[in-house]
Amino acid sequence: DTAVSQTPKYLVTQMGNDKSIKCEQNLGHDTMYWYKQDSKKFLKIMFSYNNKELIINETVPNRFSPKSPDKAHLNLHINSLELGDSAVYFCASSPGTGLNTEAFFGQGTRLTVV
Amino acid sequence: AQSVTQLDSQVPVFEEAPVELRCNYSSSVSVYLFWYVQYPNQGLQLLLKYLSGSTLVKGINGFEAEFNKSQTSFHLRKPSVHISDTAEYFCAVSESPNDYKLSFGAGTTVTVRA
Repeated sequence: DTAVSQTPKYLVTQMGNDKSIKCEQNLGHDTMYWYKQDSKKFLKIMFSYNNKELIINETVPNRFSPKSPDKAHLNLHINSLELGDSAVYFCASSPGTGLNTEAFFGQGTRLTVV
Repeated sequence: AQSVTQLDSQVPVFEEAPVELRCNYSSSVSVYLFWYVQYPNQGLQLLLKYLSGSTLVKGINGFEAEFNKSQTSFHLRKPSVHISDTAEYFCAVSESPNDYKLSFGAGTTVTVRA
């Protein structure tokens, strides 16, 4: 069983479209995250939710909106996609917010905007 | 703000040889350091982390890393690698112990040859 699963794995779409990436964890964790890996392969945090409440919101365009319908899911919606949004997006979860817990990551979703 | 530099983008190594992956960070405050591994078609997996205490940290699969505050480094080592260690390795840093607001390096691809 995959602990943190993201769908789709690959997404190719045109500029201006709206798309969503789904993330589900079956670990019973309270905290979930979205990270973005840019073209230079640096991973940076975008959002974090704890018990469905937004706790980290980095400087990210308003076109990006996370949605957490329940503790097991954190979906990422992106409106009006731009070429610069092309990246690999990683979802993660952890039992709590502190570093004494372990964060588990999904496989990543490679988004290509053409 | 913290940043992470992984000095080698690719490291080829023969089976049973030792390997060292270099990681340097910059931060003006206390840091918490991590090494993650990504095997092909899998998510990121925690190898080890330094939060406090002994500067020599042992992780899974025979890996260890040493935190050197004066040199702002957290190099990863394994005395004898296996073919199965072929993967991408990421160093990451957080300035807060309370959340997984990690900044990652660009990754080092390790290729183990027989």
